[in-house]
Amino acid sequence: DAGITQSPRHKVTETGTPVTLRCHQTENHRYMYWYRQDPGHGLRLIHYSYGVKDTDKGEVSDGYSVSRSKTEDFLLTLESATSSQTSVYFCAISQSGEQYFGPGTRLTVT
Amino acid sequence: GENVEQHPSTLSVQEGDSAVIKCTYSDSASNYFPWYKQELGKRPQLIIDIRSNVGEKKDQRIAVTLNKTAKHFSLHITETQPEDSAVYFCAASVSGAGSYQLTFGKGTKLSVIP
Repeated sequence: DAGITQSPRHKVTETGTPVTLRCHQTENHRYMYWYRQDPGHGLRLIHYSYGVKDTDKGEVSDGYSVSRSKTEDFLLTLESATSSQTSVYFCAISQSGEQYFGPGTRLTVT
Repeated sequence: GENVEQHPSTLSVQEGDSAVIKCTYSDSASNYFPWYKQELGKRPQLIIDIRSNVGEKKDQRIAVTLNKTAKHFSLHITETQPEDSAVYFCAASVSGAGSYQLTFGKGTKLSVIP
C-alpha cells in the first residue's frame, strides 16, 4: 500500500466549519496528490505537491487549500465546508510516474 | 487540458467470457496510460499501465492496447472470474513533464455473473 495513511477515515461536519484532512507517507516520495471521488465523476484532482512548500491547483481546487511543510505530510483544508464538498477524498503518491492511493476519507457535510 | 472518455459505464459478462473497456483521450502529448480497479469501499488499485512507446502489454489475464494515432486505449480481461467484479478506471497523463497529473475516465462497473 506504498506506506500511505489518511486521517481521519470518516468525518461528519456541519456547513461552515473548517476541516483538515491529513495524508501521511513513509517513503519520501516527492509528489503527492489530493483527489475527490463522486458518483458519476470518477476521480478529480484537487491539488498536488511537487515538494515541501511547492503546491499547485488541480481541476477542482475552488474551496480547498493545501499545505506541505514536511515531505511526509500533505494537508487538505476546507476553510468553510459546504454540502457540495461531501465526498470521498483520496490522497496519492507518485513513484516513477505510477500513482498509488491511500485508503480514503469519507467526509459528510451536513 | 486533457479529457478522457470511458465506455461503457456498465458491463455485465458471464464468468469465463472476455470483457473489454475502451477509453479515448484528447491530448496528443499524453504518454502514460494506467488502469485502476476499485472494489466497493476500497482504494483504487493500479492493475496495469502502458507507455506510448509500446502498443500492447499483457499481465496474465489482463492486457492493455494503445492506438496513439486514434488516441484510444483499451483494457481486455480474459476468462473473467467473479472476483473481477469491480469498477475500473482508465487515466492518462504526460509522464516526465514533472507533475505526473492523471486525468481519469468516469469508470466502468464490471459485473461478472457466475
